[in-house]
Amino acid sequence: DQQVKQNSPSLSVQEGRISILNCDYTNSMFDYFLWYKKYPAEGPTFLISISSIKDKNEDGRFTVFLNKSAKHLSLHIVPSQPGDSAVYFCAASGNGNKLVFGAGTILRVKS
Amino acid sequence: NAGVMQNPRHLVRRRGQEARLRCSPMKGHSHVYWYRQLPEEGLKFMVYLQKENIIDESGMPKERFSAEFPKEGPSILRIQQVVRGDSAAYFCASSHGRLEGQPQHFGDGTRLSIL
Repeated sequence: DQQVKQNSPSLSVQEGRISILNCDYTNSMFDYFLWYKKYPAEGPTFLISISSIKDKNEDGRFTVFLNKSAKHLSLHIVPSQPGDSAVYFCAASGNGNKLVFGAGTILRVKS
Repeated sequence: NAGVMQNPRHLVRRRGQEARLRCSPMKGHSHVYWYRQLPEEGLKFMVYLQKENIIDESGMPKERFSAEFPKEGPSILRIQQVVRGDSAAYFCASSHGRLEGQPQHFGDGTRLSIL
């Protein structure tokens, strides 16, 4: 029962262009969404989050968009840099504590 | 991932032995969460604890697994009589409060290998 889905296992983007990572969810009780970035042999690093009362949140090069009616969120990274190459996880919560993670998307930024 | 400290980073056990994984949360954080990641998968929630209390253990197997977060010292995830299927990366996270507006911050994990 995958409540959070990241349907693209990988994404390749040229340096300087926009990276768009997508995430879909099925549980309408989710009200808080987060994106994490993970390098090999390290733990996930928090990037950005959004509450269900908003449809957009921006922090520097990172913007998260939430479409509640479609149960879809996306992470935009612009401009993309080689150091952004990592696995990106979408996560959601509906009860204020545990996170439900997607399977991740591998982002490769080519220089 | 400065702040949340997990040890050991790597742990090798033979089938039937016990594994103890430790997690010290970020300074000032009183909420601790344990997640498990199998190869090619996302992280799966196991248990949520506050000091001396288990708040939610809905993701933890009923047998062989236990967790604690004592008044003093780190949180411990204990796996008794380990089996090959327990091989995974175990991540601990901490937060200042409940999730809204308080993202969980993760340690670098313990990679458990069962021989």
